[in-house]
Amino acid sequence: DTGVSQNPRHKITKRGQNVTFRCDPISEHNRLYWYRQTLGQGPEFLTYFQNEAQLEKSRLLSDRFSAERPKGSFSTLEIQRTEQGDSAMYLCASSLKQSRTGGTGRFTDTQYFGPGTRLTVL
Amino acid sequence: KQEVTQIPAALSVPEGENLVLNCSFTDSAIYNLQWFRQDPGKGLTSLLLIQSSQREQTSGRLNASLDKSSGRSTLYIAASQPGDSATYLCAVRTFYNNDMRFGAGTRLTVKP
Repeated sequence: DTGVSQNPRHKITKRGQNVTFRCDPISEHNRLYWYRQTLGQGPEFLTYFQNEAQLEKSRLLSDRFSAERPKGSFSTLEIQRTEQGDSAMYLCASSLKQSRTGGTGRFTDTQYFGPGTRLTVL
Repeated sequence: KQEVTQIPAALSVPEGENLVLNCSFTDSAIYNLQWFRQDPGKGLTSLLLIQSSQREQTSGRLNASLDKSSGRSTLYIAASQPGDSATYLCAVRTFYNNDMRFGAGTRLTVKP
C-alpha cells in the first residue's frame, strides 16, 4: 500500500446527474477526510470519519452530498443532482490517530492526501 | 473562525536563490500546522508538520517555523531549484476542530 488512492481521477457529467467518488485510504489509517478545492483556492473541509463513524460535516456539505465509510476502510462521496457550482477537485486524506509520538504524549495525525477526483459539471 | 492567509500569492525567483513563504492565522489555539506542496492538477504532498509545542521543523532544504503568539509560520527553501516550482499551501488544525483550514497558497516559479 503506497498511499491514498481515489477513483475516478476525472469525471465529466451533465447537470442534474448523480456522481459517486471512491477513496481508499492508507490501510492502517483510522481517520478519513474529504475536502473540495476550487481553482486558485486551498482545499475546504467537507466531512471526516473516524473508523466508520462520520463525526463532522461542514455546512458546505448540502443535502445533495452524502458520504459513507461502511466498514471503516474505503469511503464514497456521492453528489446528487449535480450543479455547475459543484465543479471542483475532490480530495481525500487519511491519517492515523496515535496516542503518543516521541514520548511527548502528543498526537501526530499527519494527513496524507490522494491525487483527487476532478469533477466537471456541464 | 480560523482564517489562514498566505503572502505572496505568487513568487518568481532565479534558480539558487533562498526564499521565504509566509503563512498567518487568526486563532493561536492551534493543534498543529502543516505545509504542503501541490503540483498542477495533482493532490497534496505533505512537506512538514509542526506540532503546537514545537518552534520549527527541518527536512533537507526546507525549514518551517512556527510562532503561535504572532499567528505566523514561515517556510524557508534554501538553494531553490526549478523542480521546486509548485503551489505551497499551509494548513492549520485547531484544538476544537478535526479539519484543517488551508490558505489559498503561494504559487512558486523557480527559473533556470
